[in-house]
Amino acid sequence: QKEVEQNSGPLSVPEGAIASLNCTYSDRGSQSFFWYRQYSGKSPELIMSIYSNGDKEDGRFTAQLNKASQYVSLLIRDSQPSDSATYLCAVNRPDAGGTSYGKLTFGQGTILTVHP
Amino acid sequence: DVKVTQSSRYLVKRTGEKVFLECVQDMDHENMFWYRQDPGLGLRLIYFSYDVKMKEKGDIPEGYSVSREKKERFSLILESASTNQTSMYLCASSDRIGGYTFGSGTRLTVV
Repeated sequence: QKEVEQNSGPLSVPEGAIASLNCTYSDRGSQSFFWYRQYSGKSPELIMSIYSNGDKEDGRFTAQLNKASQYVSLLIRDSQPSDSATYLCAVNRPDAGGTSYGKLTFGQGTILTVHP
Repeated sequence: DVKVTQSSRYLVKRTGEKVFLECVQDMDHENMFWYRQDPGLGLRLIYFSYDVKMKEKGDIPEGYSVSREKKERFSLILESASTNQTSMYLCASSDRIGGYTFGSGTRLTVV
């Protein structure tokens, strides 16, 4: 089982729709969860972080975390063509002693295309 | 804004050369990381450092080494470049709990 799995995609949604991106993780000790956006040929850019169960909203983005189900998601409301990118889910990696030194494991990414 | 600067955007090197990739961050972050990103394989951790002169191997350290002599600078060294090290190399930094800020990446081609 991969440590961090994302829905395979690619995901195509019409402009103005809600895009839903999903991620599951295997390490129950993980405490920090992040979503990155990566445009083609560019480096990843942090768009959301979430540390507690529930929802966290930032503009058109909502991150949802359920630690019991080991599930984190990203909703993008009113999707725009400029949202077309690869979205990476990242989860911190604690070692046996519980220290992570900030290490993250990334999912493979979901390609999102928003068409006009 | 935190800035992470990678010295080169594109590099072409010959097989067997020693290659240095430099990364500098300007926000006094403790943690710095080197990843490579390949199609179908995603982002894979090569090495990381949580303090000056402290370094730890990541998932794929073979053929690489690192140096962190100053807090703001983290260098990746390819001891003897090989064609299978052709990749996009990404440097990142973070504080203790936050997410990464990535540099713009170095696309390395080994011929």
